[in-house]
Amino acid sequence: EADIYQTPRYLVIGTGKKITLECSQTMGHDKMYWYQQDPGMELHLIHYSYGVNSTEKGDLSSESTVSRIRTEHFPLTLESARPSHTSQYLCASSELWGMSYNEQFFGPGTRLTVL
Amino acid sequence: AQSVTQPDIHITVSEGASLELRCNYSYGATPYLFWYVQSPGQGLQLLLKYFSGDTLVQGIKGFEAEFKRSQSSFNLRKPSVHWSDAAEYFCAVFTGGSQGNLIFGKGTKLSVKP
Repeated sequence: EADIYQTPRYLVIGTGKKITLECSQTMGHDKMYWYQQDPGMELHLIHYSYGVNSTEKGDLSSESTVSRIRTEHFPLTLESARPSHTSQYLCASSELWGMSYNEQFFGPGTRLTVL
Repeated sequence: AQSVTQPDIHITVSEGASLELRCNYSYGATPYLFWYVQSPGQGLQLLLKYFSGDTLVQGIKGFEAEFKRSQSSFNLRKPSVHWSDAAEYFCAVFTGGSQGNLIFGKGTKLSVKP
């Protein structure tokens, strides 16, 4: 079944740790996204990618980095986590062309807490 | 600049009552509009979308939305709310083209009274 997966679902870590949030999709989509969502707030786009070896920064500045070595995989890394990084991180994917190119499919999210 | 406004932060309705969630957008061209629903601890699920054509669009779970260009609105409706509809609802506009992205409103939290 085509889907989009995120691991871990919940993560509690201490300040200064390096973390990687995983996102994988089996939908065959070229475009992938990372959003940050604080409670009661809208989603803010922090990174996106058009395909392998493509990474772009989104509307919201973020200290995280991303990579796209494989089409189906789009991990997000924080080199040194801080309490200000506490948030929910949502991964999404979409087609790059075609009738539904602007329809995004979302993963379940990773809720990150940095102590 | 493109933007989406959802004027209601929190709405409470009784089970079985009708529902309307408001969404206003700002976009220069013909917009592509979406409504997503987010249950607690979950990602977003697409309810419905408007690209062109009929201004009344039907979605999943009995939801519908009406595009009104003159009012720059895309309100979400449901004739009879179920307790399982309690969730957060997000309206979004697509900024256009292969380089475009979604811009989301701040969301409306729906509570359902028994």
